[in-house]
Amino acid sequence: ETGVTQSPTHLIKTRGQQVTLRCSSQSGHNTVSWYQQALGQGPQFIFQYYREEENGRGNFPPRFSGLQFPNYSSELNVNALELDDSALYLCASNVWGYTEAFFGQGTRLTVV
Amino acid sequence: KQEVTQIPAALSVPEGENLVLNCSFTDSAIYNLQWFRQDPGKGLTSLLLIQSSQREQTSGRLNASLDKSSGRSTLYIAASQPGDSATYLCAVRQETSGSRLTFGEGTQLTVNP
Repeated sequence: ETGVTQSPTHLIKTRGQQVTLRCSSQSGHNTVSWYQQALGQGPQFIFQYYREEENGRGNFPPRFSGLQFPNYSSELNVNALELDDSALYLCASNVWGYTEAFFGQGTRLTVV
Repeated sequence: KQEVTQIPAALSVPEGENLVLNCSFTDSAIYNLQWFRQDPGKGLTSLLLIQSSQREQTSGRLNASLDKSSGRSTLYIAASQPGDSATYLCAVRQETSGSRLTFGEGTQLTVNP
């Protein structure tokens, strides 16, 4: 059974650019959620995907968008990057509903 | 709006000590609560999931309790070891929010040899 994997592990982008982060869900899981974790803080919910549709969104602007593919993997896209977007981005997967969530190792995004 | 608070923010103890980490939440309409461990710059490792109908959940040296009505959970770590040094996060899942987790800011634990 493979766990949740994220790519890349580290990324440096320039303000105003666009970035795509990727996540492969754990085998058997059909729901993917994305979180942003600033240094020294707890993760903040961005959105979750189930059946290839966004199903719940946190307090993030529309320049944060995502996709889920038929194999349940997912992408997080961020347009017009700002310095404050620098953070650890975490992906979690579970079976839809209230089941235990498992996280990937994260992608460290630095915006300069 | 659900708010999760963890106390203390940081804790330093000698090896072998038993310790308790606290988590409180403002909205008691939760479905379950999950405790995680996070090593510096890494992802989250799930430690325990406790359902709202449960009072306790145990895994090895870890024991989590939940008092839903008072909005509190504790994570008890027995006989702490230097390898337990990490940030511990609690997260709640609302009855109406599906898979969404609301996190506290964590307790940074240091266990000194």
